[in-house]
Parts: sequence; C-alpha cells; structure tokens
Amino acid sequence: DTAVSQTPKYLVTQMGNDKSIKCEQNLGHDTMYWYKQDSKKFLKIMFSYNNKELIINETVPNRFSPKSPDKAHLNLHINSLELGDSAVYFCASSFSSYEQYFGPGTRLTVT
Amino acid sequence: QKEVEQDPGPLSVPEGAIVSLNCTYSNSAFQYFMWYRQYSRKGPELLMYTYSSGNKEDGRFTAQVDKSSKYISLFIRDSQPSDSATYLCAHNTDKLIFGTGTRLQVFP
Repeated sequence: DTAVSQTPKYLVTQMGNDKSIKCEQNLGHDTMYWYKQDSKKFLKIMFSYNNKELIINETVPNRFSPKSPDKAHLNLHINSLELGDSAVYFCASSFSSYEQYFGPGTRLTVT
Repeated sequence: QKEVEQDPGPLSVPEGAIVSLNCTYSNSAFQYFMWYRQYSRKGPELLMYTYSSGNKEDGRFTAQVDKSSKYISLFIRDSQPSDSATYLCAHNTDKLIFGTGTRLQVFP
C-alpha cells in the first residue's frame, strides 16, 4: 500500500551513460514532481506535472527529460550523465502545492 | 541570498528538552508556511503547515509565524530520540521553496 514509490532505490553508473528513474503514486493526486537533493540536503524542485501536462520546468539542463504517461506515473530520463548529477532524486505528488507526499528517493551516484 | 534560510545545525539536545528551530524568508508573496521532517535516507514528510501569522499547535509541536519579520519557528516540547531527523521549512507560491534544513539529534 505504498503511496509514492520510486525505482530504482540506488543507481550507480558511469559518466556519459543514460539512465531512467520511475515514479508511481496511488493517492489519486493530479500533480507530480521531481526534486533533486544535493549532498548538503538542499531540496530543489526540478519539474512539476499536472494531469500529464508540464507546468513547472526549473532551470534544469535539457539532458533531463521528464515524461508522464498518465497522472499516476512520472518518469525521469537523464542523458549523458555527469559527476554533478550525483544526488538523491525524489518524486512527490499532491492535490495542493503545500502538502506534498514524497517517495523514498533514488540515490544516484555517477562515477 | 537564498529565498529561505535555515541554520544547518547539527543541533544536539538531551531527551525532554524544548527545541527551537528557526527559518527566515525573503519573499513576502509566500502564503503557506510548512515544516517537513526527513528521517535519514527517507523522503520528507509534512509535519505541519500554517497559512497566517501566529501559532499553530499539534501535540508536542508548535509552529509560529511572524510575517512582519519574515521569521518562522518550530518548537518541539519534551523532545524524544525519535524526533532525531532533519527539519525543513518550506514556503510556497506556485511551488515549494525549501530551506536547507536543520539536523536535530535528541540523545537519551
């Protein structure tokens, strides 16, 4: 009965590779998000989708491409991975912008 | 200057202490003020939110907002080791803006 789930939990890969992270929510929320949390625990929004439509796109390199096949799923594809992409990526969902439900995170390490 | 500033800590207190966590913000457009709690290697979870100035209480937790000085606080009474976590303040306009988080450790 997990509310927001992400796969994989850990991802270790080499520079230059392409990888994807998947997110699913079973809360019936209309809005989903991707956040990046750096090594200093700073949590910053990357993207937001509402009913499969992109509504927030922060200044993120275009190597990052989100895709929402339906309102319960939001995936993140990253091309040409760089060392600076190493972080924890969180998916979240909500009805309202202030009460968001976060997934367990995907710890990405680029070597 | 970041939109939301927090002392990163760590803050280490004995069990039973009263804890005060603080946050300042720069954007007057913020309407909702939230505190999220994040345990180690977990996602953040909403602890409390408040819309206006003043205090809001929930059990051992009290959130306080002072819009005139752009300052918000979270007080934890009778702190427990299970309160050990990182506390993130957040505000919203069309999106959530998080502070950098304060790491709290409550030792028995």
